[in-house]
Amino acid sequence: AQSVAQPEDQVNVAEGNPLTVKCTYSVSGNPYLFWYVQYPNRGLQFLLKYITGDNLVKGSYGFEAEFNKSQTSFHLKKPSALVSDSALYFCAVRDWSGNTPLVFGKGTRLSVIA
Amino acid sequence: NAGVTQTPKFQVLKTGQSMTLQCAQDMNHNSMYWYRQDPGMGLRLIYYSASEGTTDKGEVPNGYNVSRLNKREFSLRLESAAPSQTSVYFCASSETGQFIGELFFGEGSRLTVL
Repeated sequence: AQSVAQPEDQVNVAEGNPLTVKCTYSVSGNPYLFWYVQYPNRGLQFLLKYITGDNLVKGSYGFEAEFNKSQTSFHLKKPSALVSDSALYFCAVRDWSGNTPLVFGKGTRLSVIA
Repeated sequence: NAGVTQTPKFQVLKTGQSMTLQCAQDMNHNSMYWYRQDPGMGLRLIYYSASEGTTDKGEVPNGYNVSRLNKREFSLRLESAAPSQTSVYFCASSETGQFIGELFFGEGSRLTVL
């Protein structure tokens, strides 16, 4: 079975500082990994994904994520946070070997303070 | 760009009433999904349809039924609503194959069962 853990319910960061939102995963084979963002009263929006290749993945709005196979992690990062980055962030995973849907983490609320 | 359209956006039901949530996508995607979002629980998959003519249970299917009416439309029905089904429901779609796992979400349907 595949699973995702987001260990922090809430992350607070000052505007202009770097931010990290943590994600660890468990799959039986190789993972497909994703980050989604949800703004208030909206549906989720795709940010970035890791399928294969370079461990550092760049996505929308200046976000990036680093795939670490040995630590089974896929942390979301941004060098300089903006107030507009404040939102709910979800990590998701699926196993590449099966035709199974994504499994989402419980979400991390990011608050960027001016 | 309509993308994924859900109706209704808001609904209040009494226990035991039935209703259908409608979802349509105009991106010619093969796969469609229904998720529910509850505080602290993240997104949980109710049902999905990998392709037209097929439906499968997700993590929390009890109390729900689905119909993949055609390639565009995927409806979710609550036959006898219960307070535990108070939630925000999201429909999503994806193109299988190249865009593995990248989901496009609707704006959500907020359901309250009294």
